[in-house]
Amino acid sequence: ETGVTQSPTHLIKTRGQQVTLRCSSQSGHNTVSWYQQALGQGPQFIFQYYREEENGRGNFPPRFSGLQFPNYSSELNVNALELDDSALYLCASSLVTGRYNEQFFGPGTRLTVL
Amino acid sequence: ILNVEQSPQSLHVQEGDSTNFTCSFPSSNFYALHWYRWETAKSPEALFVMTLNGDEKKKGRISATLNTKEGYSYLYIKGSQPEDSATYLCAFGHSGGGADGLTFGKGTHLIIQP
Repeated sequence: ETGVTQSPTHLIKTRGQQVTLRCSSQSGHNTVSWYQQALGQGPQFIFQYYREEENGRGNFPPRFSGLQFPNYSSELNVNALELDDSALYLCASSLVTGRYNEQFFGPGTRLTVL
Repeated sequence: ILNVEQSPQSLHVQEGDSTNFTCSFPSSNFYALHWYRWETAKSPEALFVMTLNGDEKKKGRISATLNTKEGYSYLYIKGSQPEDSATYLCAFGHSGGGADGLTFGKGTHLIIQP
């Protein structure tokens, strides 16, 4: 069974640029959620994708958008980067019918915005 | 806005000692409480999913209890070992399909001193 993988591991961007982060779900999982962990904070829910559509969203502006592909992998896109977007971005996969929304996390992508 | 609080923020424990820490969460609209263990540079690892008031779960030397009426959960580690050093996160689940994501605390950073 393959776990959740994310790429890249680290990246550095400048303010105003756009970034795409990628996530491959755990085998058999049909739902992907994205979280942002800023320094000193717990992970915060950005959104969830199921059947290639956004299924739920946290308190993040529209410049945070995503995609889910037929193989259940996912992308997180952030436009017009701001300094406060510097954070660890975690992807988690799950089964929509899974036990109590149990989620399985990847190791994260560390984004630095200069 | 849901508030999940964890205490203490960090903890230094001598190898061999037992320890415990707390997660408090809203007692209304409870669905599930998740505990994760997160080692540096790795993926958060699911420890327990707890759903019923009075639940007690155990995994090796780690156990957890749940009180949904008063909104708290305790995580206990018996006979701490250096490999227990990690950040322990709790997360409140408040919907079945997960469309609202998990609401995380900031974590308890545990350091086991040999």
